[in-house]
Amino acid sequence: SQQGEEDPQALSIQEGENATMNCSYKTSINNLQWYRQNSGRGLVHLILIRSNEREKHSGRLRVTLDTSKKSSSLLITASRAADTASYFCATDASDYKLSFGAGTTVTVRA
Amino acid sequence: DTGVSQDPRHKITKRGQNVTFRCDPISEHNRLYWYRQTLGQGPEFLTYFQNEAQLEKSRLLSDRFSAERPKGSFSTLEIQRTEQGDSAMYLCASSSDRGRGNEQFFGPGTRLTVL
Repeated sequence: SQQGEEDPQALSIQEGENATMNCSYKTSINNLQWYRQNSGRGLVHLILIRSNEREKHSGRLRVTLDTSKKSSSLLITASRAADTASYFCATDASDYKLSFGAGTTVTVRA
Repeated sequence: DTGVSQDPRHKITKRGQNVTFRCDPISEHNRLYWYRQTLGQGPEFLTYFQNEAQLEKSRLLSDRFSAERPKGSFSTLEIQRTEQGDSAMYLCASSSDRGRGNEQFFGPGTRLTVL
């Protein structure tokens, strides 16, 4: 079974707009990670946030973590066509295996 | 390119046949993982190696599945007597236990189709 659940399942936005997606999980974690997957390809690591952190930035990405609500959000600012992909949150409760959600499919329209 | 590589990228087989996939991790990474991903879902953990030792196997990994990592370098995942339900993308990832928080680097995957 999968630990995380992303919301929404799909998102369509205009180039230049911001995209926000959320992840909820069930158990205590060491850290939470976000990955991107382009169609039919492997996953690319985007950002990791530890359980004692509340917010993290990397370029156009902003991640928040609320351990009291067991939720995280990923914000992509000023979206580009190249951001079209599926985005997955992954929780790490064991320091080795990751538990992924079903993902949010983001389409950026030109 | 020194990323994680997987071979083959695609495999079509008939039900009942055996298949073997290979993963070459990033050379300095001592941890190696196998995941399975079906359409519309996120990856699901299958198994994990620390160096050559297989430390955990998911309940998803039935007796028909076996994974090895001889000498702590590349790994193979074998599926015996394949079933149609085995059709999926098989992803390999690696990481270093000296890394930051278990950031995992994924290969491109092997897409298995069982007819």
